[in-house]
Amino acid sequence: GENVEQHPSTLSVQEGDSAVIKCTYSDSASNYFPWYKQELGKRPQLIIDIRSNVGEKKDQRIAVTLNKTAKHFSLHITETQPEDSAVYFCAAQGDSWGKLQFGAGTQVVVTP
Amino acid sequence: GAVVSQHPSWVICKSGTSVKIECRSLDFQATTMFWYRQFPKQSLMLMATSNEGSKATYEQGVEKDKFLINHASLTLSTLTVTSAHPEDSSFYICSASLKLAFTDTQYFGPGTRLTVL
Repeated sequence: GENVEQHPSTLSVQEGDSAVIKCTYSDSASNYFPWYKQELGKRPQLIIDIRSNVGEKKDQRIAVTLNKTAKHFSLHITETQPEDSAVYFCAAQGDSWGKLQFGAGTQVVVTP
Repeated sequence: GAVVSQHPSWVICKSGTSVKIECRSLDFQATTMFWYRQFPKQSLMLMATSNEGSKATYEQGVEKDKFLINHASLTLSTLTVTSAHPEDSSFYICSASLKLAFTDTQYFGPGTRLTVL
C-alpha cells in the first residue's frame, strides 16, 4: 500500500520568513495530493491540493509543488504569520475508494 | 459549501458502555465517508471506509465487531464504539468525500473526543 513520509516533524520560523514542508510517497499510482492544516483540538482543514497532471499550484501565500518522477511534493508558505502556527499534514490518494494516506505531520511554530 | 458535522463533540462514558458518533454531510451527498482515530500528537489513522448501502471496509487491525459502522443514507454515517474501554479514548474524526467530475475531495468533521473512564 501507499506510504507517505513527511519532514520535518517540527519547524520553527520567524514571522515573515518562509516555511517548507516536504513529503515523499511510494505508490506511483497516487494522483491526488492534498495538504491539511490542523489547529489544536480542531478538524483538519484543506488548504491546498494538487493533482498529478500539474507540477505547481499557488494560492496567495501558499504553494505546492509536485515531482512525479521523484515521487515527492512540497508545501511552501511565504511571509509566515503567527496564525500559520498549526500542524500540517500531507496526504496521497490513489486508491479507487478515495482513501488518503497521511504523513506524520509537521508542527509549525511562527514566532513574532 | 462542503460542510461536515459530527455529533457529539465530546463524550465521557464508563467502561463497558457503547457510544454512538454521528457524521453528517450538510450540503452535499457523500456516497463514501471515512472514520479516523487520532491520538495526541499523532497523525490521522484510517479506521474504515464507509459506503452508503453496503458494509464498511475496515483497515487491518481494526476490530469490526467493536467499531460498528452504518452508512444508511447519503448524508449520514454512524460509528458505534461497543463495550468501550479506556484504551479506546481518543479523538475520532470522520470525513465525507465530495465527488465531482474529476475530483474526489475529503472534508472533515470537527471530531469527537471520547474519554472512557
